[in-house]
Amino acid sequence: DGGITQSPKYLFRKEGQNVTLSCEQNLNHDAMYWYRQDPGQGLRLIYYSQIVNDFQKGDIAEGYSVSREKKESFPLTVTSAQKNPTAFYLCASSIGQGARYGYTFGSGTRLTVV
Amino acid sequence: DAKTTQPNSMESNEEEPVHLPCNHSTISGTDYIHWYRQLPSQGPEYVIHGLTSNVNNRMASLAIAEDRKSSTLILHRATLRDAAVYYCILTLSNFGNEKLTFGTGTRLTIIP
Repeated sequence: DGGITQSPKYLFRKEGQNVTLSCEQNLNHDAMYWYRQDPGQGLRLIYYSQIVNDFQKGDIAEGYSVSREKKESFPLTVTSAQKNPTAFYLCASSIGQGARYGYTFGSGTRLTVV
Repeated sequence: DAKTTQPNSMESNEEEPVHLPCNHSTISGTDYIHWYRQLPSQGPEYVIHGLTSNVNNRMASLAIAEDRKSSTLILHRATLRDAAVYYCILTLSNFGNEKLTFGTGTRLTIIP
């Protein structure tokens, strides 16, 4: 079955470390997104990518970086510059404009700073 | 960004229809109305979306008011698996400004 796979499901990071969250999709979707969700709050957009080798900052890109070298992959790196990285991270994808066709989400990665 | 207003929580009996309301009085002509649901520690699941006309799919129906200032998600026969937080979201249809802004949603409880 097609879908989005996020790994790992749980991730622990020490202060000052960079960590990379994986997001892979086999839906042949053009666009991919990274969101952050904090307890009791909605989603906030970190980065999005419409096509390979291109990506744009979202509302809270500071302290994060991404790459889009392949259509099916959109990894997110949480750098030491991100001051409050503990959150639930969600990757999503869409066929072209998600507003028109809907978004598919992964099952998320819960990152905790220890 | 246009905002949506939903009740914080609702309850429904199993096997009965559920109507989840959403107000979006500041909606613009290019905003699509999306509904997603989310279980604890899981990613949101797409339910349905529409622009102007009512929409039906295997999961639910979406009724959109004629002035588009409100909409209702209809689950025709609730099951225990439908218990989740339901989010009503408006999204712009042009790339470059496309994002989902989730509010706090409606927590739906299904009573056996």
